[in-house]
This record gives sequence, C-alpha cells and structure tokens, in this order.
Amino acid sequence: QVQLVESGGGVVQPGGSLRLSCAASGFTFSSYGMHWVRQAPGKGLEWVAFIRYDGSNKYYADSVKGRFTISRDNSKNTLYLQMNSLRAEDTAVYYCAKDNGAGSLDYWGQGTLVTVSS
Amino acid sequence: DIQMTQSPSSVSASVGDRVTITCRASQGISSWLAWYQQKPGKAPKLLIYAASSLQSGVPSRFSGSGSGTDFTLTISSLQPEDFATYYCQQANSFTWTFGQGTKVEIK
Repeated sequence: QVQLVESGGGVVQPGGSLRLSCAASGFTFSSYGMHWVRQAPGKGLEWVAFIRYDGSNKYYADSVKGRFTISRDNSKNTLYLQMNSLRAEDTAVYYCAKDNGAGSLDYWGQGTLVTVSS
Repeated sequence: DIQMTQSPSSVSASVGDRVTITCRASQGISSWLAWYQQKPGKAPKLLIYAASSLQSGVPSRFSGSGSGTDFTLTISSLQPEDFATYYCQQANSFTWTFGQGTKVEIK
C-alpha cells in the first residue's frame, strides 16, 4: 500500500532554515510528480510546491518562491523541501502528497509540524 | 493566479440530508478540479478528481459535476462519518489552488 512519511519538522527561529523529508513506498516513486501542501493552525490548505516525476520541472506558490526549494532523490524514494529565510507565517503542518497524473493529490502523508518562533 | 471560491463556508445538516457544495474558479479550468474531505487532525482524502471521477474506495453517495468555472460536490444522503471539512482544488497550468473550505456540521 502507498505510504508517505514526512520528517524534519520542528521549532526554528525566524530567518532560520529547515529541511523536510518525505519517504515514499508502495508505488513506483520515480513515475509520479509530488507535492508539498501546508496548513497553518486552524486554517485551510495551501499548495506549496510541485516537482515532476524526473525532477525536470519545479513549481512554487508565490508565498514561498525564492525561499523554498523542492527536490527529490528517486534512488532513495524520497522527496525534500528545503526551507530558508523562514517567517512566522510559515508555521504550519506540512504534508507531502502524490500526484495522480491528473493534477489531483491521491495519497497524503500524516504531516510534520513546522513552528517558526523566537 | 486562479482563485477558488467555495460556498457556503459552513452548512448544518442532518443524517440523511442531501448536501451540495459549490466551487467557482476565477477563470476557466476545464475539468481540472478535485474535491477532498478532511477530518480534524487528519490528512485530506481525495474524493473526486477530474471534476466528476470518483476516487477508488469512495462511497457512491459522493458525486461531482461541472466544468469551466462552476463546480459542485453533492453528498446524496449524509452519513455520520461525512461530518468534516471539504475543499475544492484546481490544477490548471501548473499552479494548484485550494478553496477556503466548507465545514459540514451536525444540525
């Protein structure tokens, strides 16, 4: 069965950096695009970034462009999100999710909490 | 950027009721529309993709319709496990946007 397991969340000071990881199993990771989506406490879902199956193209929300970098290692079945210059408004649960090839996110991880606070 | 507007923001309904949630895109997105259900403390779950295709394992009481800018999620007979927040999401031109959510509450 498809499993996505995020890790790397925690508390970081404003201006700091953090790298999230998402370990994938149960499907051919190298054949699918992958997303990061976040949800601030008590708020709705916000799409963050997408990477194509082979890493050839990456897309970002305006709110994180230039600060966050999505990447993947298909040999390790792992997705990453490098987050730099973190701000208080980046505080959220971060989910990784698999794209189903039709622009929808069909499998999600359990999420990892990132808190940006001094 | 494409904006997604859901209505209503919340709805109170009883078990057995028919519930309809609408989602409007700020510009045409063909059928690049999905619907998700989220329960507190849990990850979202895909219900409908490509506007009207039912995700595997999702009960048939859920259905989606629409194309272009106006879309609808219908729950034909609300069940106790359906009380949750529902989100629409568009995927057009390599940008993805979620609606603000609709909370379905017990009446």
